[in-house]
Amino acid sequence: GQQLNQSPQSMFIQEGEDVSMNCTSSSIFNTWLWYKQDPGEGPVLLIALYKAGELTSNGRLTAQFGITRKDSFLNISASIPSDVGIYFCAGLYSSYKLIFGSGTRLLVRP
Amino acid sequence: GAGVSQSPSNKVTEKGKDVELRCDPISGHTALYWYRQSLGQGLEFLIYFQGNSAPDKSGLPSDRFSAERTGGSVSTLTIQRTQQEDSAVYLCASSLGPRSLTEAFFGQGTRLTVV
Repeated sequence: GQQLNQSPQSMFIQEGEDVSMNCTSSSIFNTWLWYKQDPGEGPVLLIALYKAGELTSNGRLTAQFGITRKDSFLNISASIPSDVGIYFCAGLYSSYKLIFGSGTRLLVRP
Repeated sequence: GAGVSQSPSNKVTEKGKDVELRCDPISGHTALYWYRQSLGQGLEFLIYFQGNSAPDKSGLPSDRFSAERTGGSVSTLTIQRTQQEDSAVYLCASSLGPRSLTEAFFGQGTRLTVV
């Protein structure tokens, strides 16, 4: 089935660092979404992107919808400990189906 | 309730047994979705309900999987003759109506372990 390639798989962060992750697809999507999942919880929507080239911010988070409609990235600026979790990209395949990436796990550098 | 509620939170079952997973969507939400999250993977679409009807069951992995929704509210995902590869977190989400998936809320999931 369709898959999104999300990278990196995991990364360590130190408080104050900026973080970047991205997602690519072989297919075009007209809507890209970014979610965060905390342990034992369901994913929570962070940012939705509806237009190619769009750059959208939500606090310290910034996401962009690639101009080819086949990729998206998420940046987190000045990371804090509560940013730890798993971040998922998702493409809206139909009005009721999302295709998810495999996630980027953010860990705190010891 | 305030959010999507799933029960049980955790379920350990023996291979070959049947299990039922329950989802209580947000009140008034007519659209309901089931996804599966295997270890270290993203979410995988299983089935979508609009009201009590399931227009798309294409994501159900095999005929051992079935789901129903009654009264336009509670949904039950049933897995018969469970296998070890069924072990995963099963997530339910709901949204106000069709074409509102981008505004869906997810439950906390049911972690199923088949031993």
